[in-house]
Amino acid sequence: NAGVTQTPKFQVLKTGQSMTLQCAQDMNHEYMSWYRQDPGMGLRLIHYSVGAGITDQGEVPNGYNVSRSTTEDFPLRLLSAAPSQTSVYFCASSPGRGSYEQYFGPGTRLTVT
Amino acid sequence: DAKTTQPPSMDCAEGRAANLPCNHSTISGNEYVYWYRQIHSQGPQYIIHGLKNNETNEMASLIITEDRKSSTLILPHATLRDTAVYYCIGARYSGYALNFGKGTSLLVTP
Repeated sequence: NAGVTQTPKFQVLKTGQSMTLQCAQDMNHEYMSWYRQDPGMGLRLIHYSVGAGITDQGEVPNGYNVSRSTTEDFPLRLLSAAPSQTSVYFCASSPGRGSYEQYFGPGTRLTVT
Repeated sequence: DAKTTQPPSMDCAEGRAANLPCNHSTISGNEYVYWYRQIHSQGPQYIIHGLKNNETNEMASLIITEDRKSSTLILPHATLRDTAVYYCIGARYSGYALNFGKGTSLLVTP
């Protein structure tokens, strides 16, 4: 299993541009989440999904959209990038009900100029 | 989710036990204590979790006080590769939506 994969690894955007961060998992996990980590800080939850077609907001959802059309994929869309969205973005998955452990991807380092 | 408090940093000599404390005085009866760690800039890695009883796995031991207001993660024989940020999280039975704080930065020295 590849586990949780994220693309791209690095990205530089200009203010106002839009883009989609990709996240995929091949473990048939039900739950998926997106976090951001700013320098020197812990992770903050952006959006999460408990199954295909079901998404909800986390602590810092503004400026981001998600959808979950398949079990495997959970893309994160930045609608109009701002410098405040410069961060490292982590995607995670979990088997679902009855599971205690989240599996994290390697992260996408995003810089908005 | 319960608020947790951890020291910002700790040192430990290689080969010695690393004892990482966590206070969670507001934890409710159905909230677990989870521990994750993040090595350098990688994605966090699950270590262990517990509710009331002490727990042990191949990575670490978790000691939870009887009143559940605090806990200690023990790495029995720390190695240089254990240098990481360790996060203590209080949360309900869940595999998602964890609230990470700033954690404890553990430095294992030769």
